[in-house]
Amino acid sequence: QLQLQESGPGLVKPSETLSLTCTVSGGSISSSNYFWGWIRQPPGKGLEWIASIYYSGTTYYTPSLKSRVTISVDMSKNQFSLKLSSVTAADTSVYFCARYNNFFDYWGQGTLVTVSS
Amino acid sequence: QSVLTQPPSVSGAPGQRVTISCTGSSSNIGAGYDVQWYQQLPGTAPRILIYGNNNRPSGVPDRFSGSKSGTSASLAITGLQAEDEADYYCQSYDTSLSVWLFGGGTKLTVL
Repeated sequence: QLQLQESGPGLVKPSETLSLTCTVSGGSISSSNYFWGWIRQPPGKGLEWIASIYYSGTTYYTPSLKSRVTISVDMSKNQFSLKLSSVTAADTSVYFCARYNNFFDYWGQGTLVTVSS
Repeated sequence: QSVLTQPPSVSGAPGQRVTISCTGSSSNIGAGYDVQWYQQLPGTAPRILIYGNNNRPSGVPDRFSGSKSGTSASLAITGLQAEDEADYYCQSYDTSLSVWLFGGGTKLTVL
């Protein structure tokens, strides 16, 4: 059974960079035809897709965050990561990592990241 | 305001049937992109409920069904149960924005 687990700081200061890692177990991140992505959910609000990376390394970003976001993959560790720069309070959210196989079929449990000084 | 529009809330009594709509446009649902539905219980990650407009993954009860027509899609839940109380999100792809889209979400209350 595929499992995804987010990790990273739960508190980030304004203007700094948010960095999260998603560790995949029970399957290889290099398997063909899958996208690996990040989705966030501000407290009490809806879901927002942030970024995805194809197994080949091609990246996709939501336009509103594209200038601040980087998604990358580390095949050797079976992990993929998210970096979001110049964060503000508006970036406070639960961040989920997920696999996309025509739909988001496997999700991590989510990690709350709060932006505050 | 989400590009995929859902009603903020719906409710129904146990045993009843409820539907949740998801209205898009010609650049997403109307362009032929599939619609998915996710269920999110409080404090948990979303889980896939319907994929490819009307397909249920194994383990999802047949009380849940999806449909799509034109620029809209719907999720129907029959035989409503207390455990169905959750937030429901539709999801598709938008070719104009080049984004995977989620609807704003609908909170289902079982009366």
